[in-house]
Amino acid sequence: KAGVTQTPRYLIKTRGQQVTLSCSPISGHRSVSWYQQTPGQGLQFLFEYFSETQRNKGNFPGRFSGRQFSNSRSEMNVSTLELGDSALYLCASSFKTSGRTDTQYFGPGTRLTVL
Amino acid sequence: GQNIDQPTEMTATEGAIVQINCTYQTSGFNGLFWYQQHAGEAPTFLSYNVLDGLEEKGRFSSFLSRSKGYSYLLLKELQMKDSASYLCATMIKAAGNKLTFGGGTRVLVKP
Repeated sequence: KAGVTQTPRYLIKTRGQQVTLSCSPISGHRSVSWYQQTPGQGLQFLFEYFSETQRNKGNFPGRFSGRQFSNSRSEMNVSTLELGDSALYLCASSFKTSGRTDTQYFGPGTRLTVL
Repeated sequence: GQNIDQPTEMTATEGAIVQINCTYQTSGFNGLFWYQQHAGEAPTFLSYNVLDGLEEKGRFSSFLSRSKGYSYLLLKELQMKDSASYLCATMIKAAGNKLTFGGGTRVLVKP
């Protein structure tokens, strides 16, 4: 079974621009979560989507948004990029059955550099 | 929030055993995960504990004490390829699928 895939793998943008990252979960997985990883703050939760609905949101500004499509693929968008948005953005998928804790499997990430 | 504490760095010799401790706040606890992350790569799942006790999986074992808010990851028969960061993460009932991560423990295996 193919793993979680993310595109693009690397991205360079300038301050003020906006960016869209894409994530395709493992086949059959319905929950997609996004995380930001930086050397200073570590891995931090951005948001989770399940059945096209945002179920959870982390403590990030409104410039960070996302969505999920009917095939469970997800995108996240960052508008008005700031230097501090430079990070590895990781997507994780899980099967997510009701009332159960499911393991999240991570994609390879998108390395975003903001100049 | 779920403050999670784990050591920043540990060094061990090939063939030895290393134990990585993780402490967390117990309020609303709904499970603890360990992930391995090699430099420049994505975290890969190692283990999941929700009940007290030891879970063994080959050379890796993970232990949980819910009452103490404590877990450890035990790496036995260390190999050079085990040099990586090990991330402790918890899930709480009120936060759905959100994982809260510790800062990670960088393990360096020396020959």
